[in-house]
Amino acid sequence: KNEVEQSPQNLTAQEGEFITINCSYSVGISALHWLQQHPGGGIVSLFMLSSGKKKHGRLIATINIQEKHSSLHITASHPRDSAVYICAVRFTPTNKLIFGTGTLLAVQP
Amino acid sequence: NAGVTQTPKFQVLKTGQSMTLQCAQDMNHNSMYWYRQDPGMGLRLIYYSASEGTTDKGEVPNGYNVSRLNKREFSLRLESAAPSQTSVYFCASTPLRGQKPYEQYFGPGTRLTVT
Repeated sequence: KNEVEQSPQNLTAQEGEFITINCSYSVGISALHWLQQHPGGGIVSLFMLSSGKKKHGRLIATINIQEKHSSLHITASHPRDSAVYICAVRFTPTNKLIFGTGTLLAVQP
Repeated sequence: NAGVTQTPKFQVLKTGQSMTLQCAQDMNHNSMYWYRQDPGMGLRLIYYSASEGTTDKGEVPNGYNVSRLNKREFSLRLESAAPSQTSVYFCASTPLRGQKPYEQYFGPGTRLTVT
């Protein structure tokens, strides 16, 4: 079965720290998504990657296709970054999304 | 644009009752999806509709039915609710492949409890 694994499952950081969340997957993909889910809230797409690196504000996402690995970085973390971050991959050839279980991030002031 | 909307936001059912979760999108997206989210598990696909008039089973379709009423609307029906269907349900949509951004847009979720 296709599998998506995220680490860590839980992460607590102090405001201002640099944060890294990792995602690894088992087979070939056409794209990888990073999503954010606030407590009690909906799910928002942060990035979609098929290669290289993308940056949006303080968020950076990278992907290494050969190693089947992606990272989401948050620079200068802030309490409002506290959320669940979810990695999802679009496997070829089914084209469906398979989701990781998420990383719960708490940024303390 | 409202994006993806879902109704209701909360629902409590007794075992054996039926209900329909409604989803609509106003982004002219072709594909629509229903997921469930349970503690400790990733989102799991229940059913999807690649385009108007088509529906297909996902990973966990048992106990559910769907209707793609038109391009905008995709409903999920529980014919005889069971406690195992207690979950948070998300509807999502994506544009036609090749259109940018090719991302999934999620609704706010429906929290369903079956007692």
